[in-house]
Amino acid sequence: GAGVSQSPSNKVTEKGKDVELRCDPISGHTALYWYRQSLGQGLEFLIYFQGNSAPDKSGLPSDRFSAERTGGSVSTLTIQRTQQEDSAVYLCASSLHHGRASPYEQYFGPGTRLTVT
Amino acid sequence: QQQVKQSPQSLIVQKGGISIINCAYENTAFDYFPWYQQFPGKGPALLIAIRPDVSEKKEGRFTISFNKSAKQFSLHIMDSQPGDSATYFCAASFVSGNTPLVFGKGTRLSVIA
Repeated sequence: GAGVSQSPSNKVTEKGKDVELRCDPISGHTALYWYRQSLGQGLEFLIYFQGNSAPDKSGLPSDRFSAERTGGSVSTLTIQRTQQEDSAVYLCASSLHHGRASPYEQYFGPGTRLTVT
Repeated sequence: QQQVKQSPQSLIVQKGGISIINCAYENTAFDYFPWYQQFPGKGPALLIAIRPDVSEKKEGRFTISFNKSAKQFSLHIMDSQPGDSATYFCAASFVSGNTPLVFGKGTRLSVIA
């Protein structure tokens, strides 16, 4: 079946511009995550959506970052007034919601490479 | 505060050799420890995962060793092949409910013939 898809695959923008990154999770997956991957820094958690619950925004680095998830499916990560330090690969992942004490797997999309010039 | 520390940053192994990557964690409440494999231009993919109730888990050529008292776990790749060349990430999280993964910084493995 189809995996997690992200668009665009690459985005080059000028400093100060706003960008929107899109994530289409696996159908039926109730949990959706955004991570940022910077060179040599591993994957950094940004925000997490679970069903109809309020999102966990604890990883967002500044108020320039926001995300929404419409209809419990597609998610958009928005970065306002982009800065050069925002340059990174933005990864989206989704997973099934399991009950307590059940393991889960996060399935990652290919990412969007953002370059801020 | 880096909750999961991974080493080495890079590793070069001869074909047929054993690749070993180590991770240490700080939060003793973590109870799910996956390893992800990432090829260039692709997202990470789950390779193997372990819960703290076992000390070792093996899947094919990949083995996780887990030391709860030392708060360490490691990935061993036996009979390493050039196709194993990738970046490997360890992570930690909680099984109870879907929660974000806390990742190590990654190890770039190169297997040379």
